[in-house]
Amino acid sequence: EDKVVQSPLSLVVHEGDTVTLNCSYEVTNFRSLLWYKQEKKAPTFLFMLTSSGIEKKSGRLSSILDKKELFSILNITATQTGDSAVYLCAVEGDSGGGADGLTFGKGTHLIIQP
Amino acid sequence: EPEVTQTPSHQVTQMGQEVILRCVPISNHLYFYWYRQILGQKVEFLVSFYNNEISEKSEIFDDQFSVERPDGSNFTLKIRSTKLEDSAMYFCASRLFRGAASSGSSYNEQFFGPGTRLTVL
Repeated sequence: EDKVVQSPLSLVVHEGDTVTLNCSYEVTNFRSLLWYKQEKKAPTFLFMLTSSGIEKKSGRLSSILDKKELFSILNITATQTGDSAVYLCAVEGDSGGGADGLTFGKGTHLIIQP
Repeated sequence: EPEVTQTPSHQVTQMGQEVILRCVPISNHLYFYWYRQILGQKVEFLVSFYNNEISEKSEIFDDQFSVERPDGSNFTLKIRSTKLEDSAMYFCASRLFRGAASSGSSYNEQFFGPGTRLTVL
């Protein structure tokens, strides 16, 4: 059974701080690892990672994957109050049938205090 | 920018009633998914759909659930006889392309709709 564990489950920091969110996983025939940001409703896509060691960046956010250690991190630098959200990590495997769905972790609830 | 839409945003129903949740995926996408999120819990995969048939389904997707693509644009999730524990946020997602796992091709992410909050009384 595929599994995703995120840590910490919640985090409160001050504006301007840098945060690192962790995601470890177990998956059958790894295809990709994805990070999403969930505010009020739908998860919005941040990154898709398929190869180890290649950092993906978007503004103040970056993420990297370690397929040997089955681990990914999401970094947010110079945090702003608008970064407050639940950050979801998900993996996609390939069970050998059709289009497997994503397996999500419980998320990290990030609160940025002004 | 194209987006996945879902209707209604909130549905309240009595236990035992049938509900149909509707989704309009992004127009050129080929793979469609339903997920649910019970309040305070993680997002869970229900079913994937490709080429007009179910591709994969989870243990949650039992005989009470069905999916359909009745026309070229809508993708629906039907719950035949709702139970209290079906109360959740239901998300539809769509994806352009899946790619071969062994190839170097890029994989496209799943885009999520805003969700339908289903409340079963």
